[in-house]
Amino acid sequence: GENVEQHPSTLSVQEGDSAVIKCTYSDSASNYFPWYKQELGKGPQLIIDIRSNVGEKKDQRIAVTLNKTAKHFSLHITETQPEDSAVYFCAAQKAAGNKLTFGGGTRVLVKP
Amino acid sequence: KAGVTQTPRYLIKTRGQQVTLSCSPISGHRSVSWYQQTPGQGLQFLFEYFSETQRNKGNFPGRFSGRQFSNSRSEMNVSTLELGDSALYLCASRAGTGSGELFFGEGSRLTVL
Repeated sequence: GENVEQHPSTLSVQEGDSAVIKCTYSDSASNYFPWYKQELGKGPQLIIDIRSNVGEKKDQRIAVTLNKTAKHFSLHITETQPEDSAVYFCAAQKAAGNKLTFGGGTRVLVKP
Repeated sequence: KAGVTQTPRYLIKTRGQQVTLSCSPISGHRSVSWYQQTPGQGLQFLFEYFSETQRNKGNFPGRFSGRQFSNSRSEMNVSTLELGDSALYLCASRAGTGSGELFFGEGSRLTVL
């Protein structure tokens, strides 16, 4: 089955700096790659997603890039703010109707 | 629109007991998925239901089971609880079975003593 690896497991950045989280997936048939943010005491919430026919997608301070050849995708957060502190999960899905497989998560701490 | 509701939010059980967790999806959503979240293993997929049918199943022992009712509400059951079953159990719903946003509840935190 699909396997998603996520690095780093923890990331500490100074407010205003950028944060980058990287994920690799194993199944070349995967074509949907969402990113979820989980704040303390809450369930994960979708922040951005990308499909395999797109190489990059941006939404304000958040961007995701996808390299299908290398089977990896990354989340970039620019101008980090304290409210960006949370656990971030990447995920991959093979096709409609298949399960979503999550990476192990990255705990991001933005220091003021 | 109300979000995904999970009950109970917290519960404590002892080894050997069983537990039933409930999930009410967002109105109109027919797909419900369950995930187990532990510090060491991240988010592990348990199963997904759509229109009362189990569509996908993760790699968990048969002690873990679930079902979905005609109103899309779902329950999961864990029998013969083990210490390692202590986790946050998350339910997520979406409108259909295609790829798209999963809407998560806040989870049911199970502690097994």
